[in-house]
Amino acid sequence: QVQLRESGPGLVKPSETLSLSCTVSGTSITSYYWSWIRQAPGRGLEWIGYVYYTGSTEYNPSLKSRVTISLDTSKQQFSLELKSVTAADTAVYYCARGYCSSAICPQGSYFDFWGQGSLVPVSS
Amino acid sequence: QSVLTQPPSASGTPGQTFSTSCSGSSSNIGGNYVHWYQQLPGAAPKLLIYRNNQRPSGVPDRFSGSKSGTSASLTISGLRSEDEADYYCATWDDSLSGPVFGAGTKLTV
Repeated sequence: QVQLRESGPGLVKPSETLSLSCTVSGTSITSYYWSWIRQAPGRGLEWIGYVYYTGSTEYNPSLKSRVTISLDTSKQQFSLELKSVTAADTAVYYCARGYCSSAICPQGSYFDFWGQGSLVPVSS
Repeated sequence: QSVLTQPPSASGTPGQTFSTSCSGSSSNIGGNYVHWYQQLPGAAPKLLIYRNNQRPSGVPDRFSGSKSGTSASLTISGLRSEDEADYYCATWDDSLSGPVFGAGTKLTV
């Protein structure tokens, strides 16, 4: 079965870089749109960005200047880096697979598998 | 503040039919598919409905979705206590060039 698992430091200091990895099993990473989504405490879901299996990326404009998402096909992993974090970046970070069965992609895509989430507090 | 509007909370009783809405615009719902996610307390979101009205394998047919114009709705028939969760609508936003989520509706059963 398809599984995604986030991993990374449990705490990040303000102004530093948040780094997370997502290990994918049960499906090839050389397809689909691999996304990061976050949820601040008590808040809704916010899409951060995705990396397509070709390596191309798209980011939420509100975070674009600070975000890098990359793919390592040899490790079946994709990663998130968020620079210059503040307390406002404290959230549960989810990795998810974006699947597109539509003729128009990625517009028709949806998130069919999610990781369990990784809580990353930003605090000194 | 999300570009998709959902009522923040709702309640229902077991056995009842429940519906919740998701309102957007021509740049998102009006021209794209709507998907719904269920987030049980303390868990990751789970895909509930995709492409407006399609159910993934394993999702009971008590759950259904529809879309009309720039709005969409999720309906749960035969409400159960285990349906108590947050429900998020999502779609592609042409202005953002990416997916957007509603703020979610917290359903209490």
